[in-house]
Amino acid sequence: QQPVQSPQAVILREGEDAVINCSSSKALYSVHWYRQKHGEAPVFLMILLKGGEQKGHDKISASFNEKKQQSSLYLTASQLSYSGTYFCGTEIETGANNLFFGTGTRLTVIP
Amino acid sequence: GAGVSQSPSNKVTEKGKDVELRCDPISGHTALYWYRQSLGQGLEFLIYFQGNSAPDKSGLPSDRFSAERTGGSVSTLTIQRTQQEDSAVYLCASSLISGGAKSYEQYFGPGTRLTVT
Repeated sequence: QQPVQSPQAVILREGEDAVINCSSSKALYSVHWYRQKHGEAPVFLMILLKGGEQKGHDKISASFNEKKQQSSLYLTASQLSYSGTYFCGTEIETGANNLFFGTGTRLTVIP
Repeated sequence: GAGVSQSPSNKVTEKGKDVELRCDPISGHTALYWYRQSLGQGLEFLIYFQGNSAPDKSGLPSDRFSAERTGGSVSTLTIQRTQQEDSAVYLCASSLISGGAKSYEQYFGPGTRLTVT
């Protein structure tokens, strides 16, 4: 039930854009995105519910295609503070509120 | 307000000993989750408590692992007869679930780093 994330790692220069993908073999109710900096706890970024909505948060946005059981996280004009490991968490049943996390994408932004 | 707290922050134990890890969720949060994160790996779901419902234990890797949540608040994860492969960071998270067809963000604690020697 664990979703698959790609790429596993990416290095960007400040100002560049990146896309992180999350794919599940199960029908999804929602997708969560979290960012974890080294040695710290994961921090919530956003939730996307089924319906194909797209959400935005500053220069970080995401989309959710429930038919394809895929979500993508878009980071535009990256900043040094964006560095960290990004995890998607997928919820496969309505009301279960239980997430299965991907293996993460390590993003490094360099000056 | 206070976030999710976990104790101890670090625990070193000998193989075969039992350990207890504690989680204090955010006050009022009805849902509590335990995850395990091995070095450089993702978050592995262990167990989920929601209100007075029976916990979802489907992620517990063996019967050496158990957890309880007393009074709908504090939770303890117990690992019996620890093995070296149990070494990991154990993360606790809580969320406020108010019913209805929605999904709720999880707030994570700082974790307990367990090392089994």
